[in-house]
Amino acid sequence: QVQLQESGPGLVKPSETLSLTCAVSGYSISSGYSWAWIRQPPGKGLEWIGNIYHSGSTSYKASLKSRVTISVDTSRNQFSLNLSSVNAADTAIYFCARDSSVWGIDSWGQGTVVTVSS
Amino acid sequence: EIVLTQSPGTLSLSPGERATLSCRASQSIYSNYLAWYQLKPGQAPRLLIYGASSRATGIPDRFSGSGSGTDFTLTIRRLEPEDFAVYYCQQYGDLPRTFGQGTKVEIK
Repeated sequence: QVQLQESGPGLVKPSETLSLTCAVSGYSISSGYSWAWIRQPPGKGLEWIGNIYHSGSTSYKASLKSRVTISVDTSRNQFSLNLSSVNAADTAIYFCARDSSVWGIDSWGQGTVVTVSS
Repeated sequence: EIVLTQSPGTLSLSPGERATLSCRASQSIYSNYLAWYQLKPGQAPRLLIYGASSRATGIPDRFSGSGSGTDFTLTIRRLEPEDFAVYYCQQYGDLPRTFGQGTKVEIK
């Protein structure tokens, strides 16, 4: 049973970089699938941020592309999200997830709340 | 990117009633790679349906998905108290993946 757990600061200052890590257990990242970040701003719907394949190739939401980097560390079986130049609109619950090209997003972390505020 | 439009925004129903949720895509979804998720406050989203009509592991058979191309439907045959939540469709046939804006199923 794969499990995912997000970690990182819950409070980030405007203009700084938001950095989150997702630790994966029960499955080796290098075995396949892609690994995604999704967020939900307060009172709004789910927003797909981007994903990374075990090969290292990435895909990002167009409107975030200039600020987002997703990377993978297969030795630690984890992947990370960096979002630069944050502002209040980046305040959200951030989820990491396993993304199957056949079954959709079949496993999710519990989510972590990130607030952008000075 | 593919835009998904869900309707209605809110569905007010009583337990035991049937819920019908719609998801329309701005272009045809490759291989009908359309999924439905249930989201409750404080919980991780739960995959209900993938490939437009296949139930995910452990999902009760009162949940069913249908449709193809650009028009998809999630049906909850008889609403149980635990089914009142927000439901999202998502396409995963193309990059970037995209979600609909959600349909809230609330107790009438």
